Amino acid sequence: NAGVMQNPRHLVRRRGQEARLRCSPMKGHSHVYWYRQLPEEGLKFMVYLQKENIIDESGMPKERFSAEFPKEGPSILRIQQVVRGDSAAYFCASSPPSINYGYTFGSGTRLTVV
Amino acid sequence: KQEVTQIPAALSVPEGENLVLNCSFTDSAIYNLQWFRQDPGKGLTSLLLIQSSQREQTSGRLNASLDKSSGRSTLYIAASQPGDSATYLCAARSSGGYNKLIFGAGTRLAVHP
Repeated sequence: NAGVMQNPRHLVRRRGQEARLRCSPMKGHSHVYWYRQLPEEGLKFMVYLQKENIIDESGMPKERFSAEFPKEGPSILRIQQVVRGDSAAYFCASSPPSINYGYTFGSGTRLTVV
Repeated sequence: KQEVTQIPAALSVPEGENLVLNCSFTDSAIYNLQWFRQDPGKGLTSLLLIQSSQREQTSGRLNASLDKSSGRSTLYIAASQPGDSATYLCAARSSGGYNKLIFGAGTRLAVHP
């Protein structure tokens, strides 16, 4: 049973380009969460999605950032017109519908904006 | 709004010591609390999950306790080893706020031979 799969592991983008980060949840998990970890900082919640629905996007910047979890395929975190401050590790986690289970995290995508 | 605090921020100990890492949370209305380990440049590995109805959970040399009324959890590491060196994160899953995990800033542990 594969864990949470994130790709790419490392992504380099020039300022102004778009970054697309992908996350495939664990089998049987219908809830996906994205977190961002800035250098030397803790993990900050960005967005919580279920299939075809954004449940909570309170942690996501209002501009340039968007997320989706389509009926088929992985969840996508999209950052348009990247800036140097977007450089961070982006982690995806998934969980089953029940709150009695914990989160399982992927290995993260490390975005570097040059 | 849930806030999670971890003390100490960093800890350096000789091999073999028993350790206690502390985690406190402001909103006691939690479903569960999860402890993770993060190695430098890596993802998060789940160590222990404690439900709100439980007082403690054990896995090998690790023991985590939960006191909801005081808003505290501790992670106890017995007989520490150099391989335990990592950052330890606690995260609380609140009943409000769409049930998302809120993380503390972590305790960076170094165990030297």
